[in-house]
Amino acid sequence: SYDMTQPPSVSVSPGQTARITCSGDSLGNKYTCWYQQKPGQSPVLVIYQDKKRPSGIPERFSGSNSGNTATLTISGTQAMDEAAYYCQAWDGSSVVFGGGTKLTVL
Amino acid sequence: QVRLQESGPGLVKPSQTLSLTCTVSGDSIISNSFYWSWIRHYPGKGLEWIGHVYYTGTPYYNPSLKSRVTISVDTSKNQFSLRLSSVTAADTAVYYCASTLHDYGDYPSDSWGQGTLVTVSS
Repeated sequence: SYDMTQPPSVSVSPGQTARITCSGDSLGNKYTCWYQQKPGQSPVLVIYQDKKRPSGIPERFSGSNSGNTATLTISGTQAMDEAAYYCQAWDGSSVVFGGGTKLTVL
Repeated sequence: QVRLQESGPGLVKPSQTLSLTCTVSGDSIISNSFYWSWIRHYPGKGLEWIGHVYYTGTPYYNPSLKSRVTISVDTSKNQFSLRLSSVTAADTAVYYCASTLHDYGDYPSDSWGQGTLVTVSS
């Protein structure tokens, strides 16, 4: 099965840039999407096809994907961005999620 | 915007079958724009894809659950369903239904239900 690895936690100061990575074998050859999930809430799609933002998602959210690593970047991080973030890809026969990263805004 | 709502028992006994239904509103389930997905979230842990189905009924399942899972579509009711057999405590989770964009290489799920907690316990 295909594995995608995320750091368990990332910390950032308000106003700074947060980068959350997702690593997998030749992940750059696949499209990757990202979800934000706050406690007690359903996940929200924030990035799809590596770098596209759904309507309603702030411009401070951006994505990239190259080599073995996809990256979710949050510029000018706000307190409301504190949440768990999950990457997702299709491995050819099934959807695969990364283990998730808890973003803390200190 | 598609809206989804899960329904079903919140408590299932070990070895029995978990059954959930997702009611879709705001769009027809007979749509070539979406797959219809089930995903679960273990409290305090991560997300796990269970599977998805196209309106024609063609399902795709997580290989680790394939022997126990059935996802089906009822076009007359604009609903799709999940059945998970032989459940154990390890199947205790919040279960979400979602609409998943078709023909997007990463299969992103752009609308989610509110989720329903299913506990497996005697």
